[in-house]
Amino acid sequence: GQSLEQPSEVTAVEGAIVQINCTYQTSGFYGLSWYQQHDGGAPTFLSYNALDGLEETGRFSSFLSRSDSYGYLLLQELQMKDSASYFCAVGSGSARQLTFGSGTQLTVLP
Amino acid sequence: DVKVTQSSRYLVKRTGEKVFLECVQDMDHENMFWYRQDPGLGLRLIYFSYDVKMKEKGDIPEGYSVSREKKERFSLILESASTNQTSMYLCASSLGQGRDEQYFGPGTRLTVT
Repeated sequence: GQSLEQPSEVTAVEGAIVQINCTYQTSGFYGLSWYQQHDGGAPTFLSYNALDGLEETGRFSSFLSRSDSYGYLLLQELQMKDSASYFCAVGSGSARQLTFGSGTQLTVLP
Repeated sequence: DVKVTQSSRYLVKRTGEKVFLECVQDMDHENMFWYRQDPGLGLRLIYFSYDVKMKEKGDIPEGYSVSREKKERFSLILESASTNQTSMYLCASSLGQGRDEQYFGPGTRLTVT
């Protein structure tokens, strides 16, 4: 089976940098994904890492170390609109189905 | 843009009723998924389908069944609704290759009384 661990809550101020860590245990692995979900909204895809290293998309970066079964999402220049839940997810299996972590609630303070 | 739609945004049903949740995607995606989301538990996979008429159990299939008669449509069925099935239900679809990106519908908030 799969299991993922991430912090339940993170708080930071506008303009700061925040890192959300994710460790996983998996019996199959295509890659590590990150999703963002605002209150009342649907999850939306943020980033994906299949290989070790850093992937950058604007203010967001994601890192993966397959040997350590570890990844993180880095959010820079935080804005109020970044307040949301962030989920890491591992893809595996016939449909590359995702197993999600329980989510990290990020609160950005003014 | 990929669009995933779900038949209802809010639904209230009584214990023991049969409940149908419908999901339609318009991007010819191979894979479709049903999740439930509960506070503190993240998204848990109920069932998924990788082709028409093909289905596989996810992590929490008990009390649910699914149907995929057409590629664009994936239905979740609660055979006899129970109060512990009160939850947010999210449908998603994906191409099944590349970066595993799943596209989610807006969700159905189901309350079973």
